[in-house]
Amino acid sequence: DTAVSQTPKYLVTQMGNDKSIKCEQNLGHDTMYWYKQDSKKFLKIMFSYNNKELIINETVPNRFSPKSPDKAHLNLHINSLELGDSAVYFCASSSHFHGGDTEAFFGQGTRLTVV
Amino acid sequence: AQSVTQLGSHVSVSEGALVLLRCNYSSSVPPYLFWYVQYPNQGLQLLLKYTSAATLVKGINGFEAEFKKSETSFHLTKPSAHMSDAAEYFCAVSEVNTGFQKLVFGTGTRLLVSP
Repeated sequence: DTAVSQTPKYLVTQMGNDKSIKCEQNLGHDTMYWYKQDSKKFLKIMFSYNNKELIINETVPNRFSPKSPDKAHLNLHINSLELGDSAVYFCASSSHFHGGDTEAFFGQGTRLTVV
Repeated sequence: AQSVTQLGSHVSVSEGALVLLRCNYSSSVPPYLFWYVQYPNQGLQLLLKYTSAATLVKGINGFEAEFKKSETSFHLTKPSAHMSDAAEYFCAVSEVNTGFQKLVFGTGTRLLVSP
């Protein structure tokens, strides 16, 4: 049973389109994240939600809108896609813990290619 | 802000040789440090983490890392490389803000293992 699952795994779309990536975790975690991995493999956090509430928003363009219908799901909607949005997007989750040593569990990633 | 630096974007070793992947951190407070591995076309998997309990941390697949405060380092080692260790390795530091954490990743090191 996959702990953090993302769909789709691959997404190819044209510039200007709107697309969504879905993420679900069955670990019972309170906190979920979206990370972006660029073509040089650099990983950077985009958003974090805790119990459906936005906690971290790392200066991501407004075209990116996360939505958390419940604490097990965190979807990412992207409007007006641009070539520079091409990347691998990872969803992750962790238990809510103040100490900072909590392991994050990652999904398999969604490779988005904008043409 | 906390950060990590990984020296060497690529490390090549022969099967059976020692693996050494370098990570240096910058943090104004005692850090929580992680090593994650990413196999081709997969998500990230935790190898090990440092949480101040012990300076030598043992992880999965025979990997270990030693926290050295004087050198601000957290290098990853494995005595004998196996072909299956070929992957991308990421060092990360946990940044805690108002009780919630996010991972700040290094740029990654690709480990190549030759027969």
